[in-house]
Amino acid sequence: QSALTQPASVSGSLGQSITISCTGTSTDVGSYYLVSWYQQYTGKAPKLLIYEVNKWPPGVSSRFSGSKSGNTASLTISGLQPEDEADYYCCSYAETNIWVFGGGTKLTVL
Amino acid sequence: EVQLVESGGGLAQPGGSLRLSCAASGFTFSSTWMTWVRQAPGKGLEWLANIKPDGSETHYVASWGGRFTISRDNANNLLFLQMNTVTPEDTAVYYCVTSVAHAFNNWGQGTMVTVSS
Repeated sequence: QSALTQPASVSGSLGQSITISCTGTSTDVGSYYLVSWYQQYTGKAPKLLIYEVNKWPPGVSSRFSGSKSGNTASLTISGLQPEDEADYYCCSYAETNIWVFGGGTKLTVL
Repeated sequence: EVQLVESGGGLAQPGGSLRLSCAASGFTFSSTWMTWVRQAPGKGLEWLANIKPDGSETHYVASWGGRFTISRDNANNLLFLQMNTVTPEDTAVYYCVTSVAHAFNNWGQGTMVTVSS
């Protein structure tokens, strides 16, 4: 199972919105509404932001939103804040209880 | 409060073995799927393995080559990862993670494994 494809980096200005894509195949992202997104600061453990494509765990800001179309899932962050500068990873169920992560995207807030 | 505390990392020789442990508290461990995820230095996250709450079912990343074994001790709220025949490519931070609602909800702080001669 290959890693999901994410852009290596994205950037946006304070207050703007950005979208991070996550492209898989018909055997993972395309077949299941089981995409999740994680935020990771350098040297820290990842934190769950979105699960089942577009659901929020308790305590996560609604500035983070998820969607999916075909084999591509997306994370949108609206109203960019300095604390959003981090690495972001997508993850998808990929059959028979196997999971696959994306390669990660570094977000820079300008 | 959910707590996951990994231990057992350190320096290992190529070809050697390590056993990682994760002590869980703050939730019903015996009812929760558990997962190991690793992250090589400067690299992305890699899902490795998971185990059913009663330990009767395990799943592994396709590339594991039979070298890793995930197990659990529900009586003592412990998760394990036995790593055999390690190579420098196994150098990474290893995270113990809870799996709820098809996502990875709670993460430990990780334990660093370095494989080098």
